Amino acid sequence: SQKIEQNSEALNIQEGKTATLTCNYTNYSPAYLQWYRQDPGRGPVFLLLIRENEKEKRKERLKVTFDTTLKQSLFHITASQPADSATYLCALGTSGTYKYIFGTGTRLKVLA
Amino acid sequence: NAGVMQNPRHLVRRRGQEARLRCSPMKGHSHVYWYRQLPEEGLKFMVYLQKENIIDESGMPKERFSAEFPKEGPSILRIQQVVRGDSAAYFCASSRDSRGEGQLGQYFGPGTRLTVT
Repeated sequence: SQKIEQNSEALNIQEGKTATLTCNYTNYSPAYLQWYRQDPGRGPVFLLLIRENEKEKRKERLKVTFDTTLKQSLFHITASQPADSATYLCALGTSGTYKYIFGTGTRLKVLA
Repeated sequence: NAGVMQNPRHLVRRRGQEARLRCSPMKGHSHVYWYRQLPEEGLKFMVYLQKENIIDESGMPKERFSAEFPKEGPSILRIQQVVRGDSAAYFCASSRDSRGEGQLGQYFGPGTRLTVT
């Protein structure tokens, strides 16, 4: 069955370091992958989208990679700040469906 | 420009009652999606609607759940005869393009937290 895995354990890093979050998937061939940020008690906020034919996408301090061979996406936040503390969700979509499949998210805590 | 609006933010219902959740998409968006989120679980797709049409309801239970997006007014997710297992956060999202796969993704509302006692 289709499965998306994100680190279930919280990730704690020091301010200024680069945070790297992982999204792995099996039995799935996504056409695109999105990353969202979710704060407690709020809805997810879209951050970045990357398509299957793209290796890397950047936006300010954010970088996303997409390796369809490894079936993995990495999400990097450089020069992390305490304000980056949140849960980060990856979501996969295929070209033949309107449904997004979301991972359970990884909680990131940036320590001052 | 107001974002996606959902109300109520919190809803408490007793078992057997009906829950009605409302979602007003962003201005200019005609595509609405409903998701359910349980604690420590990911968002689960329920239904995708365009104005006056249900496009995909494959993630929604066949019984007790229904959704609509009328020509005028907000999208409504209705849960009849609620049970304790329906307690969850329900999120609505909207997009301008058909699948939200454009560079702006889907815009989510703040969610409605349903508690069934």
